Amino acid sequence: DAGITQSPRHKVTETGTPVTLRCHQTENHRYMYWYRQDPGHGLRLIHYSYGVKDTDKGEVSDGYSVSRSKTEDFLLTLESATSSQTSVYFCAISESANYGYTFGSGTRLTVV
Amino acid sequence: EDQVTQSPEALRLQEGESSSLNCSYTVSGLRGLFWYRQDPGKGPEFLFTLYSAGEEKEKERLKATLTKKESFLHITAPKPEDSATYLCAVQAYSGAGSYQLTFGKGTKLSVIP
Repeated sequence: DAGITQSPRHKVTETGTPVTLRCHQTENHRYMYWYRQDPGHGLRLIHYSYGVKDTDKGEVSDGYSVSRSKTEDFLLTLESATSSQTSVYFCAISESANYGYTFGSGTRLTVV
Repeated sequence: EDQVTQSPEALRLQEGESSSLNCSYTVSGLRGLFWYRQDPGKGPEFLFTLYSAGEEKEKERLKATLTKKESFLHITAPKPEDSATYLCAVQAYSGAGSYQLTFGKGTKLSVIP
């Protein structure tokens, strides 16, 4: 998607290993979000950021941490991956707090 | 707790057969209601934002409407390329100057030639 890139696109990892997903934007938007999408649950918010070094928890934040040291990058870390964290992870950006979001193409993570 | 329910879960239409998708919601302080389209293996793509009851927006064969408790996405004379999952989301104030989107589970639309 134009202006927002997620990496990697696919990853398989073992239970108990740390994993970091990256979201990079070129739009200079203030707000960035991490969602996970699972069958039967839809999109659920994990963490979000409203500025550099300003982050907050979402609906399903347990087991995840985030960092934002630059406007353009928002990292999602699974400190010790579990099978329940197998999912598709989407990053989204927004220009303002009450604007719509632009989503990235997603990262498919499999924890074995 | 904000809730968004979409129906039906899946819908199969013949090409040219018009229909509607429903999104019902309960939220405190609705800021906006969003419709997205999601194709397999891709991220959601923005379609519409509706802010107040009575508002309507159109794009090609799609028209979104909003009441105080639900929104409809009307599809007129659909084509196979309209096949996708359609997501509804409500935006409400979540504190600290932030607004959050709560998504429904989506309606998977299949349009058969």
